[in-house]
Formats: sequence, C-alpha cells, structure tokens
Amino acid sequence: DVKVTQSSRYLVKRTGEKVFLECVQDMDHENMFWYRQDPGLGLRLIYFSYDVKMKEKGDIPEGYSVSREKKERFSLILESASTNQTSMYLCASRTGRTNTEAFFGQGTRLTVV
Amino acid sequence: EDQVTQSPEALRLQEGESSSLNCSYTVSGLRGLFWYRQDPGKGPEFLFTLYSAGEEKEKERLKATLTKKESFLHITAPKPEDSATYLCAALNYGGSQGNLIFGKGTKLSVKP
Repeated sequence: DVKVTQSSRYLVKRTGEKVFLECVQDMDHENMFWYRQDPGLGLRLIYFSYDVKMKEKGDIPEGYSVSREKKERFSLILESASTNQTSMYLCASRTGRTNTEAFFGQGTRLTVV
Repeated sequence: EDQVTQSPEALRLQEGESSSLNCSYTVSGLRGLFWYRQDPGKGPEFLFTLYSAGEEKEKERLKATLTKKESFLHITAPKPEDSATYLCAALNYGGSQGNLIFGKGTKLSVKP
C-alpha cells in the first residue's frame, strides 16, 4: 500500500513561532507537494519539489519555505507563524514525468493562536 | 487561465437515490482527470484517473466518465457511507512537471 505520512495530525502554535511540518513517502516518488485547504477556497498549492534539493513556488508561497534533503522527505516551514496560516495542510507525492495520480497524507490541522 | 469547477457545491440524497456530480474543466492540454474522496479531517483518497474523452471507470457504486469539457461522477443507489466531499483535479502540461488543478469539491450527504 502506498503511504504518505505527515508527522502530526493536530498542532497548536503561537504567533511568531517557527513551525516545521514534516512529510515522508515510501513510494520513491520524485514529486512532492504541500497544499493548504481552507473552506470555500479548496486546495491551494504552496510549494512543490521535483527532485532532492529542488523546489518550485506554487500559488501561495508567501510566508512559507520548504526543504527536501532526501527523496522521501519534504518539509514545510512557517518562518514566523501568523493567525492567517491557521489551516489544514496536506502533503502529496506523485511519480515524476508521468500522468499518474498524486497520493495524499492524512493532513495536519494547524492552529496559530 | 486553467480552471476546474465542480457543481453542485453540496448535494443531499436519500439512500438509494442515484445522482451525478459534475466537474467542468478548461485546461491548456489535459494530461489526466482525477477524482478523489475526502472524509472530514482527513486527506483526499484517490478514486479514479481518466485520460481521454469517452473513457469510463467504475468502482462499486461509483462510475466516472470523461468528455472533452467535463467529467461526471455517477453514484448509483448511494449508501450513508458514501457521504464525503468529492474532489476532481485536472493535470495539465504547464510548469516543469505539469500542474494539478483542483476544483473546490462537492459535499455529498446521503441520509438513511
């Protein structure tokens, strides 16, 4: 079975904190993605990576950064958390250069207070 | 601009009442159309991939179809456990790896 695992289901952080969201996949996929999902807005792409140490900005990268030091791990970093970053964060992975589906993790519900 | 629109936003059905969800897309070259199911508080779960107009895929009470402009997810004799949000996404030829463009979803409620 394919597996995308996010390190936390629920997180509560304070405004101004640096926050790390971790994602690991066991499918040897080249592509990994970070989305946030908000009511009425759907899934919005924050960043994606198509190879180790490679990254590209998505639609809403402001306030976020990413790290991909190993193929199986993709981290999302909130440099200084703000209340408007309270959201559901979803990690996904997909085989590169194909038309195949993406697989999602279980999500991290982040609340910034 | 590439876009995926799902309708209706919400759908309430009685158990056994068949219906269809719509996903309209405008993309600059479709590489694939994907359907996902998402339960509250969880990540999307993959259901189907469709690649070309006329293609159909089935799984239990669900059948997905694709035309050149839209996709339908037909639900036959639904049960309460089919209640979920259904997302569709189009993969285009943009960017370095193609872009996966999501609709906002249809929230399906099936009452016993």
